[in-house]
Amino acid sequence: EAQVTQNPRYLITVTGKKLTVTCSQNMNHEYMSWYRQDPGLGLRQIYYSMNVEVTDKGDVPEGYKVSRKEKRNFPLILESPSPNQTSLYFCASTPLGGGTYNEQFFGPGTRLTVL
Amino acid sequence: GQQLNQSPQSMFIQEGEDVSMNCTSSSIFNTWLWYKQDPGEGPVLLIALYKAGELTSNGRLTAQFGITRKDSFLNISASIPSDVGIYFCAGPLNTGNQFYFGTGTSLTVIP
Repeated sequence: EAQVTQNPRYLITVTGKKLTVTCSQNMNHEYMSWYRQDPGLGLRQIYYSMNVEVTDKGDVPEGYKVSRKEKRNFPLILESPSPNQTSLYFCASTPLGGGTYNEQFFGPGTRLTVL
Repeated sequence: GQQLNQSPQSMFIQEGEDVSMNCTSSSIFNTWLWYKQDPGEGPVLLIALYKAGELTSNGRLTAQFGITRKDSFLNISASIPSDVGIYFCAGPLNTGNQFYFGTGTSLTVIP
């Protein structure tokens, strides 16, 4: 089954404790992206990657890191989480090319609480 | 960063009524997308628009790409309870690969 998976789905942690949220897709998509969703603000892009070893900042990259060592995986790293990073996080992937925009497929989301 | 403003922010309607919502931007978009998010799920693409003035339908949904390329509209006809959710406009800016979502319109359909 074609899908984007995220782990964990729920996480409660404390300020300053490094964490990683994993994202994996099995559709061989080039483009992968991380978003955070907060009430009244919609989804905001944190980082995106056009392909392996190519990553770029989105709208709200501060406090986050990413890596793209393999095409299928795009982990989101919070080196020192703070309470303002409490949010719902989504990973997404999409194929590139074809001349028109291609649909982004979203993972199930990770709800993070930083105390 | 770029802001896509959606209105209304929320809607409460009776089943069977038609719904209209819109999305505006201060920048030009060359693609407009409309997504729906069900509770506890990630967004799912409903309609994609690629040309200014384009009008596209998907069942009871109709979306339009504004001629200024700075706005888009979504209409839902004869609403049903499963239309409940949050609707987002979205798209890449004309100049790059960064992707933006609107602030969302929350729809509640009263049976």
